[in-house]
Amino acid sequence: TVMTQSPLSLPVTPGEPASISCRSSQSLLLSNRHNYLDWYVQRPGQSPQLLIYLGSNRASGVPDRFSGSGSGTDFTLRISRVEAEDVGVYYCMQALETPYTFGQGTKLEIK
Amino acid sequence: QVQLLESGPGLVKPSQTLSLTCVVSGGSITSGPYYWSWIRQPAGKGLEWIGRISASGSTNSGGINENPSLKSRLSMSVDSSRNQFSLRLDSVTAADTAVYYCARTQLPDTTGAFDIWGQGTLVTVSS
Repeated sequence: TVMTQSPLSLPVTPGEPASISCRSSQSLLLSNRHNYLDWYVQRPGQSPQLLIYLGSNRASGVPDRFSGSGSGTDFTLRISRVEAEDVGVYYCMQALETPYTFGQGTKLEIK
Repeated sequence: QVQLLESGPGLVKPSQTLSLTCVVSGGSITSGPYYWSWIRQPAGKGLEWIGRISASGSTNSGGINENPSLKSRLSMSVDSSRNQFSLRLDSVTAADTAVYYCARTQLPDTTGAFDIWGQGTLVTVSS
């Protein structure tokens, strides 16, 4: 399954919203009504960290300014108000089947 | 709190075997059910899933899944007595130079997500 993200670069002013799109080459919706799409962030110099699982569920400790939406093949990660600590590369990943595959990554930077 | 820590040689010669270990602390590798995955990232590039292995008997896939692009060179194992799992990649080339991460992986019938990651270890393939 090929995962395609856009944009690949995202300059954002602090306090402004941000949005990242992720499209999969096949539907990630299973018969259990779950979308097997995760979002990860890799902050500078750090390991990736789980943000969102099953398309729209925030991982433990993730601020509520992060939200995930979408179904089937089209998904969106939204940050309601970007903060300086949100700088990093954001990846979507399909967890429907192996091999798990990631998007190319979207680099969020502060203007 | 479960933590993962990768270890291995930082430098491997071309055509040789890359061996890495991920030690699990703060919990038993056999408690779960979980898979335990390897993911790698070449410098300045994106993430590539390598494979996953189960340490418990409560998974459905037979215990091991591998990326087809690496399957012919890859082997993974679990040492429950040492609470660790390992990766071996044969016949390495410069293309295998990357930071290698281990990660705890939720089962597909829960979330399938990588919820805990190690800090990563850089492996360079060079003579």
